[in-house]
Amino acid sequence: QQQVRQSPQSLTVWEGETAILNCSYEDSTFNYFPWYQQFPGEGPALLISIRSVSDKKEDGRFTIFFNKREKKLSLHITDSQPGDSATYFCAAKDTNAYKVIFGKGTHLHVLP
Amino acid sequence: EAAVTQSPRNKVAVTGGKVTLSCNQTNNHNNMYWYRQDTGHGLRLIHYSYGAGSTEKGDIPDGYKASRPSQENFSLILELATPSQTSVYFCASGDDGVSAETLYFGSGTRLTVL
Repeated sequence: QQQVRQSPQSLTVWEGETAILNCSYEDSTFNYFPWYQQFPGEGPALLISIRSVSDKKEDGRFTIFFNKREKKLSLHITDSQPGDSATYFCAAKDTNAYKVIFGKGTHLHVLP
Repeated sequence: EAAVTQSPRNKVAVTGGKVTLSCNQTNNHNNMYWYRQDTGHGLRLIHYSYGAGSTEKGDIPDGYKASRPSQENFSLILELATPSQTSVYFCASGDDGVSAETLYFGSGTRLTVL
């Protein structure tokens, strides 16, 4: 049962463009949504996160937009850099539970 | 600096053999997790623990056991390894309690079962 869905599976943008990564979920009890960034050969690392009481979270070039009614999120990476090339995982959690559920990831390629 | 260390980094095993993957964390976190990562499947939760002596089944526990002998150590055990368990395995630790929100991952163990 896939509870967190991500699209696209793979995304290629040019340096300086905005990359948009999408995520949706099914479980209404999810109230915390972290995004993890993973480089080849490494473990995922927390990039940015949002709670369901907010509809937007910014951290530098990274912004999460959250639509609770539609159960959708998106991660916007502005002024994309080749160093942003990585796999991005959207995850979801109910803060009353231990489990963190991950999507399948989006592979982002930023061309110079 | 949060630190999660996995060993070994790479492992080749034979079908039917026993494999133990080890994880050590110096974060003093109560929660620890084992995930596997496969192309097309993302990260899937195998087992987790909310403290020393506890283990809980995740979403894909079949064929795996877990052991949490201490706060710092969390092992994943494959009693009878099969080729379908060839994967990259990640251990993670999380902040205390059910509100664990940030997971700190190790660098992974690449397991090949022949």
